[in-house]
Amino acid sequence: EVQLVESGGGLVQPGGSLRLSCTASGFIFSSHWMNWVRQAPGKGLEWVANINQDGSVKHYVDSVKGRFTISRDNAKNSLYLQMDSLKTEDTAVYYCARHPGDQSALFDYWGQGTLATVSS
Amino acid sequence: DIQMTQSPSTLSTSVGDRVTITCRASQSISTWLAWYQQKPGKAPKLLIYKASSLESGVPSRFSGSGSGTEFTLTISSLQPDDFATYYCQQYNSYSLTFGGGTKVEIK
Repeated sequence: EVQLVESGGGLVQPGGSLRLSCTASGFIFSSHWMNWVRQAPGKGLEWVANINQDGSVKHYVDSVKGRFTISRDNAKNSLYLQMDSLKTEDTAVYYCARHPGDQSALFDYWGQGTLATVSS
Repeated sequence: DIQMTQSPSTLSTSVGDRVTITCRASQSISTWLAWYQQKPGKAPKLLIYKASSLESGVPSRFSGSGSGTEFTLTISSLQPDDFATYYCQQYNSYSLTFGGGTKVEIK
């Protein structure tokens, strides 16, 4: 069974940093592109970033470029999101999500999410 | 970036009704479109990919159609478990973008 479990959320002040983690199981992690997708409270879904199988290719939404860094450790079946220079508008539930094996950029499995709150 | 516009934003309906949700793209995305269902406090669930292909395990009352810039998600006979918010997503090009969502609620 595919499982994605996020952790690392919490309360941080504006300008601060947070590192999210996602641990994967039930599939060959190193064979899939992986993503972070977020959802602000009461709002819709926003794709944040993705990374290819070996970590050599990364894409970001414009609003986080230069502030967020996606990375992965295939030996640990783990995905990360380093979030720096956080703004109040980054407050959201952050989901880890997988692209399917055919590399289509849709999301076939999602974690349960971790809440990051940016507030003073 | 490609903008995705869903309509309506809210749909008040009843069990057994036929439901149609529309998603429009700001430019052609061929059939690179997915639909998701999200219930409160839960992660989204993939329903439809490549505009009209049903994800494994999804009931056949769900169907998708369209190409280019206009797409629809249809629920042929709404069941109690289907009251949720539905999102479309384009994966033709980066940035990957979602529609604003359609909340299907009980009339």
